[in-house]
Amino acid sequence: GIQVEQSPPDLILQEGANSTLWCNFSDSVNNLQWFHQNPWGQLINLFYIPSGTKQNGRLSATTVATERYSLLYISSSQTTDSGVYFCASYGSSNTGKLIFGQGTTLQVKP
Amino acid sequence: DGGITQSPKYLFRKEGQNVTLSCEQNLNHDAMYWYRQDPGQGLRLIYYSQIVNDFQKGDIAEGYSVSREKKESFPLTVTSAQKNPTAFYLCASSKSVQYNQPQHFGDGTRLSIL
Repeated sequence: GIQVEQSPPDLILQEGANSTLWCNFSDSVNNLQWFHQNPWGQLINLFYIPSGTKQNGRLSATTVATERYSLLYISSSQTTDSGVYFCASYGSSNTGKLIFGQGTTLQVKP
Repeated sequence: DGGITQSPKYLFRKEGQNVTLSCEQNLNHDAMYWYRQDPGQGLRLIYYSQIVNDFQKGDIAEGYSVSREKKESFPLTVTSAQKNPTAFYLCASSKSVQYNQPQHFGDGTRLSIL
C-alpha cells in the first residue's frame, strides 16, 4: 500500500517565523488532507487538497500529485500553531483507508 | 451545529472487561471510521462502514468489534481479547467511501487500563 512520509519530524520556531512542512507519498493519490492535532488531541481539518494550491489565512497548502508531494506553509507563526501536523491520503484505490504520515511536531515559542 | 460526538472523553477498563465507545454524527454522512492513535504515532484504521448494516475490517481489527444499526451511530467495542487497549481512539465520518471524500473527526476517547 501507499507510504506517507513527513518531514521534518520535529520543528521549533520563534513566534513570527515562517515554516514549510513536507509530505511525500510512494504512489499516486486521490485525496490529500492536512490536519492539525492540538495539545488536547483534537484533529482539525486544515485542507482537502488533491492537487493545486489553497490558502486559508496564514496557512497555505500545495499538492503536486505528479511529483508525489504536498507541502504546508505556515507564515507568521503563533503559539497557537503548536501541535502535530498530519498529512493523509487514500492512495489510488477506493478502499476507505486513509493512510496517515507519522506527523510533524511543531513548537512555537513566544 | 453539525458534527461528530464521541463519548466518554476518558474511559478506564479493568482486566477481562469489554468496553464500548460511542460515536454519533449528525452530518448525514454515509461512511464512518474508527482509528487508534498510540503516543507519538499517526492514526491506524480499526474498522470502517460504508452504509448501515455493513462494515469492513481495517488494518488492526483484532480485539475490536463494531455495529452500524443506524446511519448516525457507529459504536466500537474494545473486547478483552485486545491485550493492549490503552490508546486514543478517534471516530471519523465522510460523505462516502467510493469517491475519496474528506474525513472529519470527533474529539476522541482516551482509554486506559486500571
